[in-house]
Amino acid sequence: AQSVTQLGSHVSVSEGALVLLRCNYSSSVPPYLFWYVQYPNQGLQLLLKYTTGATLVKGINGFEAEFKKSETSFHLTKPSAHMSDAAEYFCAVSDPINTGKLIFGQGTTLQVKP
Amino acid sequence: DTAVSQTPKYLVTQMGNDKSIKCEQNLGHDTMYWYKQDSKKFLKIMFSYNNKELIINETVPNRFSPKSPDKAHLNLHINSLELGDSAVYFCASSQDYGTWGLPSGNTIYFGEGSWLTVV
Repeated sequence: AQSVTQLGSHVSVSEGALVLLRCNYSSSVPPYLFWYVQYPNQGLQLLLKYTTGATLVKGINGFEAEFKKSETSFHLTKPSAHMSDAAEYFCAVSDPINTGKLIFGQGTTLQVKP
Repeated sequence: DTAVSQTPKYLVTQMGNDKSIKCEQNLGHDTMYWYKQDSKKFLKIMFSYNNKELIINETVPNRFSPKSPDKAHLNLHINSLELGDSAVYFCASSQDYGTWGLPSGNTIYFGEGSWLTVV
């Protein structure tokens, strides 16, 4: 069965510092992986996704993630944090059994300090 | 124009009441979803519909009844509300659900959410 684990429910960085949000997955088939961001009192917005092809995926707002099959990881990074990056981040994997369904991790709250 | 819109955004109601949340998407997508986000922010799918037909029913109590009058609308009706139903309910849509038995790479577009509080 598919599952996603996000290490660290809360990450705090200083403005301008590197952002690293960790995501590990478990999948019985080659996974399709997603990162979504949720700003306070808003819906989820896709940051980036990996399906096939290049393992380094670039997304919106300067974020990128690298699919590493050997480590079953899909960590999200951004070189320099902005105050506006403060939000909840969710990693998700597409369920091949119930097609179309996303299985989400527990979420990571990113705090950006001035 | 909002791609996936749902109403109301906030809803406070008493236990035992019946309430509905409406959802519309203007993306021309075939597949729509309801996801529930609990107080710990955990997101879980409730239902998905493809072109008005139920595809996924994720062991949700019978008090929850989705209705899709057409492929652009997916409403959620909840009977006999309980305290544990307090959550944020997200409507979402995608181009389609992909190929059955395979993971889907389609982007799922979420609405702004409906904050339901049962008192």
